[in-house]
Amino acid sequence: DAGVTQSPTHLIKTRGQHVTLRCSPISGHKSVSWYQQVLGQGPQFIFQYYEKEERGRGNFPDRFSARQFPNYSSELNVNALLLGDSALYLCASSLERPARYEQYFGPGTRLTVT
Amino acid sequence: AQRVTQPEKLLSVFKGAPVELKCNYSYSGSPELFWYVQYSRQRLQLLLRHISRESIKGFTADLNKGETSFHLKKPFAQEEDSAMYYCALIDGGSQGNLIFGKGTKLSVKP
Repeated sequence: DAGVTQSPTHLIKTRGQHVTLRCSPISGHKSVSWYQQVLGQGPQFIFQYYEKEERGRGNFPDRFSARQFPNYSSELNVNALLLGDSALYLCASSLERPARYEQYFGPGTRLTVT
Repeated sequence: AQRVTQPEKLLSVFKGAPVELKCNYSYSGSPELFWYVQYSRQRLQLLLRHISRESIKGFTADLNKGETSFHLKKPFAQEEDSAMYYCALIDGGSQGNLIFGKGTKLSVKP
């Protein structure tokens, strides 16, 4: 298993545009979480999905949304991009709900907003 | 509010010297704490969690509830320990989401 995979690796967008980031969890994992890591900071929680339902949401504006598909892969969408959205976006998967199971992180998608 | 503080942005030691990466937390209740590590050009990975009480790659961490600390220690640093280290806790009021500190970059010099 290649582990958690994310696409694309890098992305450059302009302010006001929309972006979709994708994540494929480890095979058999049912939970996916998204984190934003701004340069010089630790990852900050955005969303958690388990069994295709949103189970948790961090302190992010409504411009951020996500969903999980029947195959447990997930998308993170960000509308009306701002310069401050430039960050590394990390996806993590766990076998079941992450409260009890280790989260495995993907390599991240580097988003640059100009 | 739940918070994790790592006071050192950078820690530089010589090979063979002891290492202590500091982590303090603010949490009401019984926290579940972790150390994550990110080696150069690799993804973030779990190093150890306090409930398992393991020693991984020579590192240990003890939860001190009185001092609200979870410092990471290793008696003899190796060059391959150079990496970014993040302390984190699980947000007990949520579904297991992680709250991370800002991280400490450990540099082990030969």
